[in-house]
Amino acid sequence: DGGITQSPKYLFRKEGQNVTLSCEQNLNHDAMYWYRQDPGQGLRLIYYSQIVNDFQKGDIAEGYSVSREKKESFPLTVTSAQKNPTAFYLCASSISRRQSTDTQYFGPGTRLTVL
Amino acid sequence: SQQGEEDPQALSIQEGENATMNCSYKTSINNLQWYRQNSGRGLVHLILIRSNEREKHSGRLRVTLDTSKKSSSLLITASRAADTASYFCATDALGVTASKLTFGTGTRLQVTL
Repeated sequence: DGGITQSPKYLFRKEGQNVTLSCEQNLNHDAMYWYRQDPGQGLRLIYYSQIVNDFQKGDIAEGYSVSREKKESFPLTVTSAQKNPTAFYLCASSISRRQSTDTQYFGPGTRLTVL
Repeated sequence: SQQGEEDPQALSIQEGENATMNCSYKTSINNLQWYRQNSGRGLVHLILIRSNEREKHSGRLRVTLDTSKKSSSLLITASRAADTASYFCATDALGVTASKLTFGTGTRLQVTL
């Protein structure tokens, strides 16, 4: 099956710990994205990557880091510098940044809870 | 920042009725998309309307776009219990080179039997 996978589905972290969320896609998409969603809210862009070995900050990048070493993978690290990390994290991908009509394909999400 | 604002925030209707939700945005756009999110799941793309289009249909969905008012509406006809979800509009801002979408705050739709 083609699609985007995120793991784990649920993640618990103690304060002061870094944690890495996995995102993998087999859609051969160039662009990948990370969003944060808080209860009853829309999505806010954390980081995005338009091509391998390149990524840009989104609207709320502070306290997060990413890497894009492979086309298929775009892991997100939530660092201890993130003040309020408890949220639902969504990864997405799209075909190409050059197409203004791109639609995004989403993974099932990871719910992170800081204890 | 949230470009899109959906209205209403929540909507409850009975099966068979039509559901209309609205989205307003602030800056000029290339296109506007609607997505659906079932509770605790990822988003699924529903429909895209370009800035030079005024209306678009897909099955039971009808989307309108009024660029002069910077607003869009999503109509779901003959709703079903399975349509229960949150619906988000997303805009692709004019002049932005990356495929970067800005999502609204969403409308939670509840369809009861």
